[in-house]
Amino acid sequence: QQQVKQSPQSLIVQKGGISIINCAYENTAFDYFPWYQQFPGKGPALLIAIRPDVSEKKEGRFTISFNKSAKQFSLHIMDSQPGDSATYFCAASKEGETGANNLFFGTGTRLTVIP
Amino acid sequence: EAGVTQFPSHSVIEKGQTVTLRCDPISGHDNLYWYRRVMGKEIKFLLHFVKESKQDESGMPNNRFLAERTGGTYSTLKVQPAELEDSGVYFCASSQGGPQHFGDGTRLSIL
Repeated sequence: QQQVKQSPQSLIVQKGGISIINCAYENTAFDYFPWYQQFPGKGPALLIAIRPDVSEKKEGRFTISFNKSAKQFSLHIMDSQPGDSATYFCAASKEGETGANNLFFGTGTRLTVIP
Repeated sequence: EAGVTQFPSHSVIEKGQTVTLRCDPISGHDNLYWYRRVMGKEIKFLLHFVKESKQDESGMPNNRFLAERTGGTYSTLKVQPAELEDSGVYFCASSQGGPQHFGDGTRLSIL
């Protein structure tokens, strides 16, 4: 059973546009929600992360919106650039007190930004 | 600071053979994780080491998979005997009180 559902599977956006990727989860015990960016031939790299005590987090052109009641979170990439073309994964985990636990990933979104 | 390194980057073997993947975590990281991505699906957790101990191995698919972490440093993941459904990209990640850092993965193809 997939713990985190991600959509869309692929996304094509014009340069300068906004890219939006959505994720939903079931386990209300999750307390850490990172987004990872992956380029071909490379491993996933942490992009931005949020905890459920805030509804939004922004870092540069990247923003996470978090809706605890709906159990949904999304990544917004403002002013999308061709260099943003990559696969994006949302994830969730239950870190608790140890601060370390396995991640449950979505299936990934392949983003293509057209110049 | 060196990142997480994985060897080999690619491995092609025949069904029934044995393959061993290696992961060198970031120095000082107690937590080491193995994940696998089968084509088109999500990255799935396999197991988690804390130092040399297995904290959680609930994601290991079956007893053909054996993971070890010698002295709490590098880790190996052995698949014996390999089956067709074991094909995929195997990722290793490490952490120490912060986010997980991933290696570039080993692409494993079983023929």
